[in-house]
Amino acid sequence: NAGVTQTPKFRVLKTGQSMTLLCAQDMNHEYMYWYRQDPGMGLRLIHYSVGEGTTAKGEVPDGYNVSRLKKQNFLLGLESAAPSQTSVYFCASSDRDMNTGELFFGEGSRLTVL
Amino acid sequence: KNEVEQSPQNLTAQEGEFITINCSYSVGISALHWLQQHPGGGIVSLFMLSSGKKKHGRLIATINIQEKHSSLHITASHPRDSAVYICAVRRGRDSYGKLTFGQGTILTVHP
Repeated sequence: NAGVTQTPKFRVLKTGQSMTLLCAQDMNHEYMYWYRQDPGMGLRLIHYSVGEGTTAKGEVPDGYNVSRLKKQNFLLGLESAAPSQTSVYFCASSDRDMNTGELFFGEGSRLTVL
Repeated sequence: KNEVEQSPQNLTAQEGEFITINCSYSVGISALHWLQQHPGGGIVSLFMLSSGKKKHGRLIATINIQEKHSSLHITASHPRDSAVYICAVRRGRDSYGKLTFGQGTILTVHP
């Protein structure tokens, strides 16, 4: 049982390049989320999904796109990377059951935009 | 003022000490999470609380909804407990991922 897996773990991009971060979970969770973590800012929600085929904007969605074509995967895309998107990105998932709601996080993806 | 405030921001302890990290929030919530993040590592969910108290091993989490306050206690602390502890609150029953995070408490436990 791998839990939540993010790829890649590290990436360096030049300004204007594009890339996609992949998040995969094997717990059959309905809800998936992408956060970014910056020094002094804490974690901030970028986009989230409440089920296959659905996505919604979070707190800081600008410059990012997401897709949830399969229940187990949640992709985060940067179409034209900017230095302000240098950050550590975390994916998380949770069961829709309100009695649990525990969050499971991936190990993070460190992105540097030069 | 942040909606979720943690104290202290930094905490240093000797191995074996009892540790308390506090979290105060100013909004109505449906649940509160305590998370642990090791340096350079991923984030692990320790507890999710909506009332009362939970215990897991040497970790105890309590919440007082009326006072809008939660505490995370570590008994018999160990150097491997050194990490950042993050408090996060969930506002509505449908706000699964929409958490408001505290700034974190950096805990260092010396042998």
